Amino acid sequence: DSGVTQTPKHLITATGQRVTLRCSPRSGDLSVYWYQQSLDQGLQFLIQYYNGEERAKGNILERFSAQQFPDLHSELNLSSLELGDSALYFCASSVAPSGSNYGYTFGSGTRLTVV
Amino acid sequence: GQSLEQPSEVTAVEGAIVQINCTYQTSGFYGLSWYQQHDGGAPTFLSYNALDGLEETGRFSSFLSRSDSYGYLLLQELQMKDSASYFCGIYGQNFVFGPGTRLSVLP
Repeated sequence: DSGVTQTPKHLITATGQRVTLRCSPRSGDLSVYWYQQSLDQGLQFLIQYYNGEERAKGNILERFSAQQFPDLHSELNLSSLELGDSALYFCASSVAPSGSNYGYTFGSGTRLTVV
Repeated sequence: GQSLEQPSEVTAVEGAIVQINCTYQTSGFYGLSWYQQHDGGAPTFLSYNALDGLEETGRFSSFLSRSDSYGYLLLQELQMKDSASYFCGIYGQNFVFGPGTRLSVLP
């Protein structure tokens, strides 16, 4: 157990629907990052929050949004889902807002399948 | 922007030494990291280089040369369990991963 909790582990939904992925960071970590990994693809950075504020944005679609709550958990909302949104979505956390000797701690991911 | 390049695949035999290279383009960054990911698993942190030079952690070592925009991960005494994908990443405005290198360790 890495200490980063992601729910649900698996999600199957239809095109056009909306889903919410949840992430609880490791205790003490203030930064949360979301990544998308499609089949046999690399990790695409979506968005970062630090202590409740958006800190950095990557290639996140307008149909996607995220937020970090006062208790530091984060949610990634995906709407108007398309088949191409099927992927593994990882959440990671870190104590610092940028890199460090401790790196990022990743959760086990949410596997989203859009049918 | 930031971009990184890695070889897509590397194959080596058990007990050997393998080097996975990473070249990058960025206007500025804090450091270079390496992550390991087994099939179906989550990436796990291996190493971080903030400064030029070699960092050693057990069987794994990582190297950074900012002047050459280049880094590498060195894996020694390869074991079957080292078969995985390895990603380099740079911490700049955000953290961007390279495309990953799939390492296959053969008996």
